Amino acid sequence: AQSVTQLGSHVSVSEGALVLLRCNYSSSVPPYLFWYVQYPNQGLQLLLKYTTGATLVKGINGFEAEFKKSETSFHLTKPSAHMSDAAEYFCAVSAYGNEKLTFGTGTRLTIIP
Amino acid sequence: EAGVVQSPRYKIIEKKQPVAFWCNPISGHNTLYWYLQNLGQGPELLIRYENEEAVDDSQLPKDRFSAERLKGVDSTLKIQPAELGDSAVYLCASSFRGLADYNEQFFGPGTRLTVL
Repeated sequence: AQSVTQLGSHVSVSEGALVLLRCNYSSSVPPYLFWYVQYPNQGLQLLLKYTTGATLVKGINGFEAEFKKSETSFHLTKPSAHMSDAAEYFCAVSAYGNEKLTFGTGTRLTIIP
Repeated sequence: EAGVVQSPRYKIIEKKQPVAFWCNPISGHNTLYWYLQNLGQGPELLIRYENEEAVDDSQLPKDRFSAERLKGVDSTLKIQPAELGDSAVYLCASSFRGLADYNEQFFGPGTRLTVL
């Protein structure tokens, strides 16, 4: 079985500052890991994913995440926050070969001008 | 290319009434998912279809929820009768299940249900 824990339901950062959203996972098999973004009244959009290979993955809008097996973490970062990054972010996990996604509870990111 | 289409976007009903949600997946996508998203929570899978077949409906409350995907394209999710606790956003997603070991799911905007 898989599970995801997102630390911090709300994160506020100043425009131009580093964004760090935390995600820890639990999986009994090698995991696939994802970050999704959800803007108000919209569906989820895939930011980036880790399946196999390079542990540092780059996504859209300047975001990246690093898979750390020893820490069971997949934290999302962006060097410089932009006002348009304000949204809800979800970390998700699935087992290899299984498309069922298990989501965390989400982190609401607020950007302070 | 059009994305996943859902209707209605918003629905307000009284408890014990029936309600139905409709989803049109991206053209050519053979896999369709219905998720439930409660306020302040991440989405939870209700049911997954491979073409017309429901291959994972273990989380669907079958006493009041039903779903169908006729002809392997559009899908309808129904609740009868609705309860106050069913107030949530219902998300539809689709993907193309091919030879890759993972197939990206594309999400629709969701239907926000309010049960009074």
